[in-house]
Amino acid sequence: GAGVSQTPSNKVTEKGKYVELRCDPISGHTALYWYRQSLGQGPEFLIYFQGTGAADDSGLPNDRFFAVRPEGSVSTLKIQRTERGDSAVYLCASSPKGGSSYNEQFFGPGTRLTVL
Amino acid sequence: GNSVTQMEGPVTLSEEAFLTINCTYTATGYPSLFWYVQYPGEGLQLLLKATKADDKGSNKGFEATYRKETTSFHLEKGSVQVSDSAVYFCALRSAGGTSYGKLTFGQGTILTVHP
Repeated sequence: GAGVSQTPSNKVTEKGKYVELRCDPISGHTALYWYRQSLGQGPEFLIYFQGTGAADDSGLPNDRFFAVRPEGSVSTLKIQRTERGDSAVYLCASSPKGGSSYNEQFFGPGTRLTVL
Repeated sequence: GNSVTQMEGPVTLSEEAFLTINCTYTATGYPSLFWYVQYPGEGLQLLLKATKADDKGSNKGFEATYRKETTSFHLEKGSVQVSDSAVYFCALRSAGGTSYGKLTFGQGTILTVHP
């Protein structure tokens, strides 16, 4: 079956611009996570959705970052007034359920964002 | 807070050599531990996991044992292949409902295996 997909695969933008990154989770997965992976580092948690609501947004670095999941499926990560330090690979993962019980997270291929 | 520390890379080995990638962690309670692998041009994939102390996770010839006394989860393989060349990430998932399953990753170790 189809895995997690992310679009675009690459995004180049100029400092100060607004960008949107899209994640299509595996069908039926209610839990969705965004992570950010800077060069030479491991992924860092940004935000977690259970259904339509953001249950944990503690990893968002500042108020320029925002994410939505209006229908409980596709999610969009939005970055305003991009800065060069935002350059990274943004990863999305989905899971059958979130919460306290263990469920494997399935990762998408990521969107490589470059801010010039 | 939670943290994961992996051995510095890159690691370069000849085919059929023995592999160890060290991983230690800091966490409260009893986290679950994971190794993820990222092959060139592909997304992160779960390689193996262990959910409680003394559990051994294994897959594709790789093994790791959850050692609570040393807070470690070292990855091992007895005989590596060229196809094992990839980036390996150690990760933990906190116990408890408020963690919501989010993962904390180490910085990754690049493994290159030569024929």
